[in-house]
Amino acid sequence: EDQVTQSPEALRLQEGESSSLNCSYTVSGLRGLFWYRQDPGKGPEFLFTLYSAGEEKEKERLKATLTKKESFLHITAPKPEDSATYLCAVLAHTGGFKTIFGAGTRLFVKA
Amino acid sequence: ETGVTQTPRHLVMGMTNKKSLKCEQHLGHNAMYWYKQSAKKPLELMFVYSLEERVENNSVPSRFSPECPNSSHLFLHLHTLQPEDSALYLCASSQGRTGDSYGYTFGSGTRLTVV
Repeated sequence: EDQVTQSPEALRLQEGESSSLNCSYTVSGLRGLFWYRQDPGKGPEFLFTLYSAGEEKEKERLKATLTKKESFLHITAPKPEDSATYLCAVLAHTGGFKTIFGAGTRLFVKA
Repeated sequence: ETGVTQTPRHLVMGMTNKKSLKCEQHLGHNAMYWYKQSAKKPLELMFVYSLEERVENNSVPSRFSPECPNSSHLFLHLHTLQPEDSALYLCASSQGRTGDSYGYTFGSGTRLTVV
């Protein structure tokens, strides 16, 4: 069964304390992996798409990487405004395209 | 107005009521989606409209009924809901069924409470 698992469920960091969020997946026919940021009371906001193992993308303090089984979202020197829920989603093609979301990681950054 | 706009932002309804959620996108996208988001659970796809063709998740109860009159507007009609239907309902759009290189653009959602 296609599955996307994010860990940890919640992460508390001090400002400036770098860390990584994990998204592991078991799907057939991976076509892409997406990262989104969701602030309270808002819809998810697109961050990155990764297509193949070894690919990396960066945006400000965020860097996403992809292997054949998982993706990492590295946060370097986070600030309180980075506090949000980060969602991972996988686009799979198994008899048709489908997007499977993980449950998210809630990140709290304390000043 | 740009992006994906959802109305209302909040809705409280009784189990015997009938209401509708509305979504508009002004991005020129050709696919629109309804997702349900419950606390600590992954987003659940309810319906997809791609080039005005409906694709639905077979596990969605018939008390949810979508309508897509054109590529810019999407509705979700609700009737005789249950308390477990309380959740955040998100509308999204994309260029192409797969979300292309830019993923989905989501609205801010409708927070639905069924009492």
